[in-house]
Amino acid sequence: QVTLRESGPALVKPTQTLTLTCTFSGFSLSTSGMCVSWVRQPPGKALEWLARIDWDDGKHYSASLKTRLTISKDTSRNQVVLTMTNMDPEDTATYYCARTPPPSSSWYDFWGRGILVTVSS
Amino acid sequence: DIQLTQSPASLSASVGDRVTITCRTRQSISVYLQWYQQKPGQAPELLIYLASSLQSGVPSRFSGRGSETDFTLTISSLQPEDSATYYCQQSFSPVHTFGQGTKLEI
Repeated sequence: QVTLRESGPALVKPTQTLTLTCTFSGFSLSTSGMCVSWVRQPPGKALEWLARIDWDDGKHYSASLKTRLTISKDTSRNQVVLTMTNMDPEDTATYYCARTPPPSSSWYDFWGRGILVTVSS
Repeated sequence: DIQLTQSPASLSASVGDRVTITCRTRQSISVYLQWYQQKPGQAPELLIYLASSLQSGVPSRFSGRGSETDFTLTISSLQPEDSATYYCQQSFSPVHTFGQGTKLEI
């Protein structure tokens, strides 16, 4: 059974760094073609793709946010970590992690429930 | 990043209607296009992958077509539970992107 769960702070202050952890089970990120991505959704707005980490430690970032994002993985602990620097109130959103399975690494078949992060002083 | 443009932004339809949502890109993405359904307060759910393949467990009234720059999601006979927002997503580039969503009211 595949599950993903996001964890991290519900509230951060402007200019702080956000660290989110995606803990998953039911698959291994060392499997060829497996990827985990982060997607966010501001309240009432559309989904926004943020970043992806691949089984071979390949990393990909949204062009508009790449200077603020870092994604990493701990395969032994089944975790993917996303950090976002210099948080702003406009970064208030529900943050999701999702799995992209092999072979094509194209679609998201399992998602976490999401974590709402509010940026406010 | 590859931009996806969905239309319409919203629509209202009745039970039993056939509806089509469109997703367009400015550059060819072959068939690397997915469709998701999202209901309020829930994570998105995969409906269609690689333009036309139906995800396991998804009702057959959902179908996808298209290639290159023009794609459609069709719901053949609307059910009350289809009220949701629908998103397209491209995976031609390793930097994935989503469309802006289409809100369907029934």
